[in-house]
Amino acid sequence: NAGVMQNPRHLVRRRGQEARLRCSPMKGHSHVYWYRQLPEEGLKFMVYLQKENIIDESGMPKERFSAEFPKEGPSILRIQQVVRGDSAAYFCASSPTRTYNEQFFGPGTRLTVL
Amino acid sequence: AQKITQTQPGMFVQEKEAVTLDCTYDTSDQSYGLFWYKQPSSGEMIFLIYQGSYDEQNATEGRYSLNFQKARKSANLVISASQLGDSAMYFCAMREGSTGTASKLTFGTGTRLQVTL
Repeated sequence: NAGVMQNPRHLVRRRGQEARLRCSPMKGHSHVYWYRQLPEEGLKFMVYLQKENIIDESGMPKERFSAEFPKEGPSILRIQQVVRGDSAAYFCASSPTRTYNEQFFGPGTRLTVL
Repeated sequence: AQKITQTQPGMFVQEKEAVTLDCTYDTSDQSYGLFWYKQPSSGEMIFLIYQGSYDEQNATEGRYSLNFQKARKSANLVISASQLGDSAMYFCAMREGSTGTASKLTFGTGTRLQVTL
């Protein structure tokens, strides 16, 4: 029973390039959350999605960032024209329902912007 | 105001001793949930324990227990019989609102625990 999968685990981009981070939730989970962790800080909520719907994007920067969770396939967090300040660990979590207490976290993607 | 406050950036504890990691929270909601996660140096987030605001008993999971004091808005994590493998960052988090209305977690800044021989 595989856990939450994220790939790539490490991603290096140059300033101005695009970064695509993928998250496959646990089997049977239809709710996905993305969090960002800057160095030496706690996790900050970015966006909450259900299949084909964005439920809460209150933590997403207004520009350059977008997220989707299509009917088929993984959830994608996309960062366009990356800047050095985007360097962080990006975590995805999933839960089977909105009311389930625990969110199961993936291993994270470490993004480094040169 | 910070929603989750962890005032101990770092803590040391000797192996086999108990340690308490502090967490205070701020919310005006009546229904909320409190979580503790462990983040070892490898980076993954490991769920440890959950406490609901209406739970009358303090949550326990093996060597982990949550000392929930609602009036003081504190949710301290107690680790008994510390082991070397407990060395990690520990994050307190909160989910506000009735279940089903708000699901995002708000995290504190973490406490780095170091277990010594």
